[in-house]
Amino acid sequence: QEKVQQSPESLIVPEGAMSSLNCTFSNSASQSIWWYQQHPGKGPEALISIFSNGNKKEGRLTVYLNRASLHVSLHIRDSQPSDSAVYLCAVTGTGGYKVVFGSGTRLLVSP
Amino acid sequence: EAAVTQSPRNKVAVTGGKVTLSCNQTNNHNNMYWYRQDTGHGLRLIHYSYGAGSTEKGDIPDGYKASRPSQENFSLILELATPSQTSVYFCASVQGIYEQYFGPGTRLTVL
Repeated sequence: QEKVQQSPESLIVPEGAMSSLNCTFSNSASQSIWWYQQHPGKGPEALISIFSNGNKKEGRLTVYLNRASLHVSLHIRDSQPSDSAVYLCAVTGTGGYKVVFGSGTRLLVSP
Repeated sequence: EAAVTQSPRNKVAVTGGKVTLSCNQTNNHNNMYWYRQDTGHGLRLIHYSYGAGSTEKGDIPDGYKASRPSQENFSLILELATPSQTSVYFCASVQGIYEQYFGPGTRLTVL
C-alpha cells in the first residue's frame, strides 16, 4: 500500500519569505502527485500537480519531483498571510483510482 | 464550475443509531470518494466508486457502507454508529488521475 509522509508538520515563515514543504512516497510508479490547500472548516482545494520528473512552476508556486528518491517538494515564493493553511500531498496509485494523502503541513505566514 | 455538495453539514447521532451522509456532484465525474479527516491522520479513504452501481472498499471500510445509485449521488452509511466514528467526512469527485473536487465536509459527532 502506498505510503505518503510530509514534513515538517508545521512551519512558520515571515511574510515575503519562501515556504518549502516536503513529501515522500513509497512507489516510484505512482501516476501523479497533487498538492492541495485546506483552510479551516473547508474542503481541500487542488493547487498544482506534477506527473514527470523535474519541476513545474505556476505563479508563486514551484513543485519538484524526483522519482528516484521518491521525493516531491512544494515551494511558495513571496509567502503571504493568506497562504496560511494546511497543505496536503496526494499520490495517485498505479491503478489510477486510489489516492493516498499525507497528514499535511500546517503553514503559518506571519505579517 | 465543478461543484460537490454534502448534506447534512453537521450531525449529532447516538451510539447504535443509523447515519446516512449524502454527496451530490454536478461535474459528471465517474469516480467519487468518501474520506474521513482526523487530527494527525490526514485524509483516510473509506469507500470509493467508479460509477453508478459500483462501490469499492478503501483503506478503512469497517463500520461503513456506501451506495452509488446514480452518477451524481454517493452516500456513506453508518448502520450502527459508534463514538470512534466522530470525525469530519469529505466527499470528492474526480475524472481519472486529475484533481479531486471536494465538498465542504460533514462534521459528525456520535454521543
